[in-house]
Amino acid sequence: ETGVTQSPTHLIKTRGQQVTLRCSSQSGHNTVSWYQQALGQGPQFIFQYYREEENGRGNFPPRFSGLQFPNYSSELNVNALELDDSALYLCASSPSGNSYEQYFGPGTRLTVT
Amino acid sequence: AQSVAQPEDQVNVAEGNPLTVKCTYSVSGNPYLFWYVQYPNRGLQFLLKYITGDNLVKGSYGFEAEFNKSQTSFHLKKPSALVSDSALYFCAVRDLTPWDYKLSFGAGTTVTVRA
Repeated sequence: ETGVTQSPTHLIKTRGQQVTLRCSSQSGHNTVSWYQQALGQGPQFIFQYYREEENGRGNFPPRFSGLQFPNYSSELNVNALELDDSALYLCASSPSGNSYEQYFGPGTRLTVT
Repeated sequence: AQSVAQPEDQVNVAEGNPLTVKCTYSVSGNPYLFWYVQYPNRGLQFLLKYITGDNLVKGSYGFEAEFNKSQTSFHLKKPSALVSDSALYFCAVRDLTPWDYKLSFGAGTTVTVRA
């Protein structure tokens, strides 16, 4: 087991609403990344946080935002939900001093209706 | 910018036969390459990585991958496939920027191993 946990497992929201997804990194990991995996596609990088600062962002609009807390847990917030936001959202953490491997959580399945 | 291509959407093999899942990459410098596997309704599980050194990399569950710089490929292989290997496989490449952990994934290859 990787030790990365995500909540909730599943979520159903209505278009226009806001959602917060949560991730708990594995102990000792100070970097977290978020990915969106649409049905039938590979994961797409949203952004990453290192020591509570965003230090990389993919091609996602500003309504996708995040936080990393002092205990290195993280949140992904999405405002003004659109139907195309329906996807599996994956959180991945990386251990301190090791920039090669990312450990993924089980994901949150978001459905926007 | 880096990118990965997985030219096959699906690979079907009989149990006991060799399994190969293809991957080609594009990066500006030296690549860091990864293979992950995803089972239904699950997150990604790390299989193996290539950072430097020996071109043949051994990973989890009997999988291995061969790095070929001249062909910019990193094909995943297993000498004898099991039914339990049926899953979705992703190749990924990492940018060289220090402290940039972003992975770029391919679209995935669905492997079906028939009994």
